[in-house]
Amino acid sequence: DAKTTQPNSMESNEEEPVHLPCNHSTISGTDYIHWYRQLPSQGPEYVIHGLTSNVNNRMASLAIAEDRKSSTLILHRATLRDAAVYYCILNRVSGTYKYIFGTGTRLKVLA
Amino acid sequence: GAVVSQHPSWVICKSGTSVKIECRSLDFQATTMFWYRQFPKQSLMLMATSNEGSKATHEQGVEKDKFLINHASLTLSTLTVTSAHPEDSSFYICSATTTGGGGYEQYFGPGTRLTVT
Repeated sequence: DAKTTQPNSMESNEEEPVHLPCNHSTISGTDYIHWYRQLPSQGPEYVIHGLTSNVNNRMASLAIAEDRKSSTLILHRATLRDAAVYYCILNRVSGTYKYIFGTGTRLKVLA
Repeated sequence: GAVVSQHPSWVICKSGTSVKIECRSLDFQATTMFWYRQFPKQSLMLMATSNEGSKATHEQGVEKDKFLINHASLTLSTLTVTSAHPEDSSFYICSATTTGGGGYEQYFGPGTRLTVT
């Protein structure tokens, strides 16, 4: 399974945009890029996913590099409730569809 | 949205006993369910994948006879930790997916905190 690399931690001020990067240089053509976040003592929560094109939803935007070797999760206006660990995961189109979690990025939002 | 529940949310048991954790998909049929374990300050580690009516596939290093998984229906999977020991104390999380394919997300349960004394 392809691996992802994320910074261990990031900080952002409240109400400012946050760009969370993820490197996945060994991504294959059939791997989707999924993002989840996890609050303390809770299960992960789905944020967004994409394959090749940039994606937007009510929570965030996902920008995917043209060569697909990296992606960026964008939170347009960080709030205190966005403080969490964010995981970038690759999920293959065919096969077992299992997730291999990396270390994730711990986002701290400053009031 | 799709909801996954886990029961119990926390459990304390004595060393040597067995503990069963249930994972239910409440408003959808889950073709595949997954079980994860998470130690404090660490990431989630996949333990096993199960499909309804089939034997679970345990990840390398996860003892299948110690972590028994039953996926009897499209809405219920159970994880039994047999002969639990203090090192099995962890946060156990299940997830479910409605269909195959990398374009479909997994829905995660709230987790079960297991403490073995």
